Amino acid sequence: AQSVTQLDSQVPVFEEAPVELRCNYSSSVSVYLFWYVQYPNQGLQLLLKYLSGSTLVESINGFEAEFNKSQTSFHLRKPSVHISDTAEYFCAVMKGGSEKLVFGKGTKLTVNP
Amino acid sequence: DVKVTQSSRYLVKRTGEKVFLECVQDMDHENMFWYRQDPGLGLRLIYFSYDVKMKEKGDIPEGYSVSREKKERFSLILESASTNQTSMYLCASGGPTSYEQYFGPGTRLTVT
Repeated sequence: AQSVTQLDSQVPVFEEAPVELRCNYSSSVSVYLFWYVQYPNQGLQLLLKYLSGSTLVESINGFEAEFNKSQTSFHLRKPSVHISDTAEYFCAVMKGGSEKLVFGKGTKLTVNP
Repeated sequence: DVKVTQSSRYLVKRTGEKVFLECVQDMDHENMFWYRQDPGLGLRLIYFSYDVKMKEKGDIPEGYSVSREKKERFSLILESASTNQTSMYLCASGGPTSYEQYFGPGTRLTVT
């Protein structure tokens, strides 16, 4: 069965610092990869996704993630975080041919002033 | 904008009660999902429906059932609520090839 590991449950950083949230998935022939964000008291929103093509994908608010097939990773990065980025971030994988997502356990990002 | 709505944001029920959680989407999506979210466990799939009257068990279906009589509505049923079903319940919908799931705001259920 497909699985997703988010290595850090909590990541505290200062405003304007860079951040990396790590995600590894169990290997499969073809997978689609996602990062979702959950702001306090809200549902999940799609942040970015990798389906095919360029291994570097970007979101509209400055986050990026790189698909690394050899390391089965899809780490999320931002060069300079804002207070408003404080949220929980979930990595998810969909096996090719399936409609179902498998989620990691989440990483709580706290951006301090 | 895609909208997924859930009938309640907060719900308190007693042990043994039958509980209905309702989810409605307005994007004509074929697929609908019910997840349970618990701290430190992430989201776990309870049930999935890929068409009206069609359903498939997820990873943790025990103690739950679902109903999909209309395309836009997907209900989660707790036949006899127990305290270990206290959790946040999230509904989502998605098209067959979009690969993206759209989530509702969640229902925080407390069973006492």
